[in-house]
Amino acid sequence: DAKTTQPTSMDCAEGRAANLPCNHSTISGNEYVYWYRQIHSQGPQYIIHGLKNNETNEMASLIITEDRKSSTLILPHATLRDTAVYYCIVHRGGGYQKVTFGTGTKLQVIP
Amino acid sequence: NAGVTQTPKFQVLKTGQSMTLQCAQDMNHEYMSWYRQDPGMGLRLIHYSVGAGITDQGEVPNGYNVSRSTTEDFPLRLLSAAPSQTSVYFCASKRTGVSTDTQYFGPGTRLTVL
Repeated sequence: DAKTTQPTSMDCAEGRAANLPCNHSTISGNEYVYWYRQIHSQGPQYIIHGLKNNETNEMASLIITEDRKSSTLILPHATLRDTAVYYCIVHRGGGYQKVTFGTGTKLQVIP
Repeated sequence: NAGVTQTPKFQVLKTGQSMTLQCAQDMNHEYMSWYRQDPGMGLRLIHYSVGAGITDQGEVPNGYNVSRSTTEDFPLRLLSAAPSQTSVYFCASKRTGVSTDTQYFGPGTRLTVL
């Protein structure tokens, strides 16, 4: 599975959009980009995923570059409850591959 | 559905003791996995299973054993606990045989080894 690189930490003002980048330059054609977040010490929670098209759901938007070597998770109106560690991971679909996490980005939303 | 459940929530062991961390899911997911998370760190994969009777090692398997006799349960055994195994342990599950597969995580077991 492709490795990912994320900034260690980021700050965002409450109410503003939070843009979290992720580099995955070695991604293969059949690998998906997934985003999870972990609030405080809880178990990680799924946010969104995509293959090559941009995706949006009720939580966030995912923008994947045309060459698929990087992506950005967008939280359109960050709230204090969005303070968490955000993980970008890449793996193939099908469900049989091991899934490894990196260290993620610690997002601090500031009042 | 209860989702993914883990027991116990907290545990304190002495060095050399053994114990089993329990994980169960009621979503009929074939894939299950165990991660550990040390303070201020990301999640590291210990072991995973793609179905009953099938297990494989992750990134940090030493000191841990697993077995998968049923689809629902995936226990993690510490054979001889060491202080380096002090961590938070998360169990997760997901479907297989689909093109996209999101993981569902349990609430974690906080283990301290003295």
